[in-house]
Amino acid sequence: DADVTQTPRNRITKTGKRIMLECSQTKGHDRMYWYRQDPGLGLRLIYYSFDVKDINKGEISDGYSVSRQAQAKFSLSLESAIPNQTALYFCATSDSSGILYFGPGTRLTVT
Amino acid sequence: AQKVTQAQTEISVVEKEDVTLDCVYETRDTTYYLFWYKQPPSGELVFLIRRNSFDEQNEISGRYSWNFQKSTSSFNFTITASQVVDSAVYFCALTSLGYGNKLVFGAGTILRVKS
Repeated sequence: DADVTQTPRNRITKTGKRIMLECSQTKGHDRMYWYRQDPGLGLRLIYYSFDVKDINKGEISDGYSVSRQAQAKFSLSLESAIPNQTALYFCATSDSSGILYFGPGTRLTVT
Repeated sequence: AQKVTQAQTEISVVEKEDVTLDCVYETRDTTYYLFWYKQPPSGELVFLIRRNSFDEQNEISGRYSWNFQKSTSSFNFTITASQVVDSAVYFCALTSLGYGNKLVFGAGTILRVKS
């Protein structure tokens, strides 16, 4: 089984809808991240959490919120989706080495 | 501020050619870590290497090699005798204690290897 899983893998939603992307990990890592990938822009950090009680904004947090329900679970919410949030979203975990282990990604399309 | 620049947006080579992917970074910290990740057409992100700022030795792993030069703030990646399976997007990334251990990525280089 994959160490980092994301659900859903693909999602099409309409402008204004609330959507949640979920991430679970079995690696036992404390650190979890949400990144967004857009063509030509690489991966940009949305939110990160270094333990269950720690939530931090990344470089592009506007329009997003997160919840760290447990050490193994970190969800990303779009409260009111807009078309420019169409992207590939990755969850990742890491230990103190800083190496990120990514989930398979969620392709989100906002119409 | 932390920044990673991958100036090559896309590179096309013919199989068996050697290819170098450039990565230039900016950081004010003296302790930092550099990474390369591969994203094949299937979309997953695969960790390739981590290098700390105090280790400037070049690293070789099979057909892959990495050249870290602090003097030019570069961490370049060379694939020797490229193969079609090397076709992917390659990302260089940087993190440091002074930046909260967050990983900053470059925009990526698309490598196309033609048979």
